[in-house]
Amino acid sequence: GQQVMQIPQYQHVQEGEDFTTYCNSSTTLSNIQWYKQRPGGHPVFLIQLVKSGEVKKQKRLTFQFGEAKKNIYLHITATQTTDVGTYFCSEKSSGDKLTFGTGTRLAVRP
Amino acid sequence: DVKVTQSSRYLVKRTGEKVFLECVQDMDHENMFWYRQDPGLGLRLIYFSYDVKMKEKGDIPEGYSVSREKKERFSLILESASTNQTSMYLCASSNRGLNTEAFFGQGTRLTVV
Repeated sequence: GQQVMQIPQYQHVQEGEDFTTYCNSSTTLSNIQWYKQRPGGHPVFLIQLVKSGEVKKQKRLTFQFGEAKKNIYLHITATQTTDVGTYFCSEKSSGDKLTFGTGTRLAVRP
Repeated sequence: DVKVTQSSRYLVKRTGEKVFLECVQDMDHENMFWYRQDPGLGLRLIYFSYDVKMKEKGDIPEGYSVSREKKERFSLILESASTNQTSMYLCASSNRGLNTEAFFGQGTRLTVV
């Protein structure tokens, strides 16, 4: 299967700046999940999106499912050093298969 | 707390060796997954299992096999390890259903020399 591309692969920001990562697919997506992996850790579930155009927020994190269901976005407002890590989008498809995007690694300068 | 435990944190094996990576979960989850993680490539699905003795190929199954004889245990087998299988291997489990999250083990860093 084709892996979902995430952009950018890596981003280094100054603390307080905003950050956005997005996932791009050539086919429509469904049942999107976001995970965060801290350095040296394992991926941990953040949130799930299922509907076209859906927007969910967790404090400074905003998650959005594109209208055409081919793009998904994660935006972090005013980054903090605790946001450091790699963020993965993933799709849970029929049969419970869970496939991940390529990931975006976020570094934050204090 | 959900616990997914991988048998080793670090492993060093020789080319050609048969390697077993073990994963155990304690939450009675139906689904279990094996991924490998490489820089720039994210998490790639090797195999998953939705029930005892059931398995499905993921995106990169070549060179690997799996075994699920008991619900709580999912083993990844490298029949003849090669240097290009040097990687971080992550096991995960989840309940059945599209609205369920996956829980990951701490990972096994395998080096094949």
